[in-house]
Amino acid sequence: DAGVIQSPRHEVTEMGQEVTLRCKPISGHDYLFWYRQTMMRGLELLIYFNNNVPIDDSGMPEDRFSAKMPNASFSTLKIQPSEPRDSAVYFCASSPPGGWARPQHFGDGTRLSIL
Amino acid sequence: SQQGEEDPQALSIQEGENATMNCSYKTSINNLQWYRQNSGRGLVHLILIRSNEREKHSGRLRVTLDTSKKSSSLLITASRAADTASYFCATVIQGAQKLVFGQGTRLTINP
Repeated sequence: DAGVIQSPRHEVTEMGQEVTLRCKPISGHDYLFWYRQTMMRGLELLIYFNNNVPIDDSGMPEDRFSAKMPNASFSTLKIQPSEPRDSAVYFCASSPPGGWARPQHFGDGTRLSIL
Repeated sequence: SQQGEEDPQALSIQEGENATMNCSYKTSINNLQWYRQNSGRGLVHLILIRSNEREKHSGRLRVTLDTSKKSSSLLITASRAADTASYFCATVIQGAQKLVFGQGTRLTINP
């Protein structure tokens, strides 16, 4: 079975540019999560969706960040404009029906570097 | 501040030895989960233990949960070089719709 697929795996861009990260969750999973991982702050939940609806976006750091889930098989996380402090590894994860008692399945992340 | 805190932050042992990692948390939980992260990869779920459970096993993994002490431990028996990774505990806090991760323990297994 295919796992969670993220693209691109690496992104290097200059500050001020728009960055779009993409995620394809596991088929049949109805929860989708976006996390950010840095050495300083560890793994932080940015936003999560249930049945394509954003439920909690309290972790989104600024209005420069936005996320969408137009259908059950695709989600994007967009940063516009990007800043050097946005450099991090961004993970997408999905989990099956059953709420928070079910394990989350992570993609291999997008390593983002903003110069 | 972090809900879950792992101890130690780093652990280095010889292959074949047992590795024990601890996790402490601050508030009541619904469940506690352990994940592994290999370098450059995403997190992989290892085991979930509910608040009414005290111990769970999965292969060479043994997890204990002491809700009175708000702590959990992960034991890996007969370690192998392939166990080298970072290990994270994550808690689902009662009343909160969120999984909160600790900072992780970096485990190195020396051949």
